[in-house]
Amino acid sequence: SYVLTQPPSMSVAPGKTARITCGGNNIGSKSVHWYQQKPGQAPVLVISYDSDRPSGIPERFSGSNSGNTAALTISRVEAGDEADYYCQVWDSSSDHFVFGTGTKVTVL
Amino acid sequence: EVQLVETGGGLVKPGGSLRLSCTTSGFTFSSYGMNWVRQAPGKGLEWVSFISSSSGISYMFYADSVKGRFTTSRDNAKNALYLQLNSLRDEDTAVYYCARVCGGDCQNFDYWGQGTLVTVSS
Repeated sequence: SYVLTQPPSMSVAPGKTARITCGGNNIGSKSVHWYQQKPGQAPVLVISYDSDRPSGIPERFSGSNSGNTAALTISRVEAGDEADYYCQVWDSSSDHFVFGTGTKVTVL
Repeated sequence: EVQLVETGGGLVKPGGSLRLSCTTSGFTFSSYGMNWVRQAPGKGLEWVSFISSSSGISYMFYADSVKGRFTTSRDNAKNALYLQLNSLRDEDTAVYYCARVCGGDCQNFDYWGQGTLVTVSS
């Protein structure tokens, strides 16, 4: 089955940039979606189709996808960005949706 | 406003069964594929099942970890999604979310419920 690997955690200072990676075999050939989940809450879609921002998501959130790595970049990080972030793809070879392992972002 | 509300969670013994429901409003339910996603305590998200929209014949997909034990279904007249959980195991303990696929051939989940907790324990 298709596996998506993310770093377990990262720390970033307010105002700086956080780049969260999502590794998968030839992930550049798939569409990658990103979710933010705060404690006790349901996930929220923050990036769809590699780099599209849904309505209401700040421009500080951006995405990229190439080769074996996709990335979510959060610019000018704020305290409210502290959350878990998950990447997700549709694996057509198995007819499965797949989530990444998740990254906990801590704002210092 | 799109709303998804899960109910039916609770405490169940290993080997037992449970039926979860997801009641929806604010959109044309029959036109959207729907999913169940779960999250074990302190763990990441795990996709559980998908059921297609009702345009044509509905089809379902399941994660390998639940295939043969869980069954997803929908009642378009009631705008409701269901998950029948059978032969439950300790490792099925999780918050279960229903989530809408964004439409057409879309591949992400644009709306989620708040989840219902299933605890499998003797």
